Amino acid sequence: DAGITQSPRHKVTETGTPVTLRCHQTENHRYMYWYRQDPGHGLRLIHYSYGVKDTDKGEVSDGYSVSRSKTEDFLLTLESATSSQTSVYFCAIATATGELFFGEGSRLTVL
Amino acid sequence: TQLLEQSPQFLSIQEGENLTVYCNSSSVFSSLQWYRQEPGEGPVLLVTVVTGGEVKKLKRLTFQFGDARKDSSLHITAAQPGDTGLYLCAGADLNTGNQFYFGTGTSLTVIP
Repeated sequence: DAGITQSPRHKVTETGTPVTLRCHQTENHRYMYWYRQDPGHGLRLIHYSYGVKDTDKGEVSDGYSVSRSKTEDFLLTLESATSSQTSVYFCAIATATGELFFGEGSRLTVL
Repeated sequence: TQLLEQSPQFLSIQEGENLTVYCNSSSVFSSLQWYRQEPGEGPVLLVTVVTGGEVKKLKRLTFQFGDARKDSSLHITAAQPGDTGLYLCAGADLNTGNQFYFGTGTSLTVIP
């Protein structure tokens, strides 16, 4: 257990509304990641962070933004949710030895 | 994007049988990891292989990293129902921002 919590765990929203998912860690790891998981696609990287206010895009970043104002929190925002963003979102941290530990996931449904 | 292809995508076998899952890429990785994921949960790390040609054993699971560090395999001996789950390989590229690239996964069902 790497002390990762995601919130909310489940959310249903309507197209066009903003959504923010939160990832909180308790162990001060430098690297944090947001992935989405969809059938047939595995885990795809949305954005990642390598420190406070230091973030970069992953392979599927369009329509998403992130912020990291504190080491322990990494926020993922959908400015205007679309049905294609219905997915399960996972936050992860990387240890100093290059291993990933994941949160339990946030299931988002956009109607 | 560094593509990782896993095969097979789905596998259903009887308890006691052996199986192998493959993870292939055209890219070289700093290390390669295998994860197992159960429904409603996040992936859990099983093993990390770092050196080309490396073989690691975890009870009935044997992991191998290819000599060129582009591919890997997971072999399970005498599969048990508790092995059921989604197996994911992930390549780590520590030279470009500590990024991890995941395969599409192999869904394994072991029938009692």
